[in-house]
Amino acid sequence: AQTVTQSQPEMSVQEAETVTLSCTYDTSESDYYLFWYKQPPSRQMILVIRQEAYKQQNATENRFSVNFQKAAKSFSLKISDSQLGDAAMYFCAFSGYSTLTFGKGTMLLVSP
Amino acid sequence: EAGVVQSPRYKIIEKKQPVAFWCNPISGHNTLYWYLQNLGQGPELLIRYENEEAVDDSQLPKDRFSAERLKGVDSTLKIQPAELGDSAVYLCASSLGTGVLSTDTQYFGPGTRLTVL
Repeated sequence: AQTVTQSQPEMSVQEAETVTLSCTYDTSESDYYLFWYKQPPSRQMILVIRQEAYKQQNATENRFSVNFQKAAKSFSLKISDSQLGDAAMYFCAFSGYSTLTFGKGTMLLVSP
Repeated sequence: EAGVVQSPRYKIIEKKQPVAFWCNPISGHNTLYWYLQNLGQGPELLIRYENEEAVDDSQLPKDRFSAERLKGVDSTLKIQPAELGDSAVYLCASSLGTGVLSTDTQYFGPGTRLTVL
């Protein structure tokens, strides 16, 4: 079974600054997908970014980018030019030949 | 296009009472998921449907939980009787395709927050 570990329960960043959220995973599968989801207080899980393991190029979505290190089984999320609306719980998730497995989340606090 | 719809958003019941949650997935999405999210944790899968077939219900506590997805569209998750430990958020998600490799992105509804007193 795969596991997803987010070692940072909480992170803080100031507006316009850059923050990186860490995620590591453990799996024996070779084909899989990795995701970052954002969950604001409204509880709606919103997809932030997705990475296919077979792609060497790191995924980017506007201010969000990932650093995918397959050998190290690491998948960090970088948020550039942070905005107040980025404040939320961020979940890293793994999807392979079984179910989507989530980490415990990192709460991101954004201050003016 | 409408997203995943769930109702109710909040439910408060007394222990031993029954409760039901409803989910309508994104139109055309063949796979539907029910997740349980405890406070401070990530979601955990309860059951996955491909069309009307439950293909993974290994984590569903079948003594008190049941689910159905008639006609392969909307779905209902039921708890009977509810226990104090069932207090949590119940999330529904859907994805377009089916198959063993879960390659499709899952889109989530807003969830139902259940409080059992």
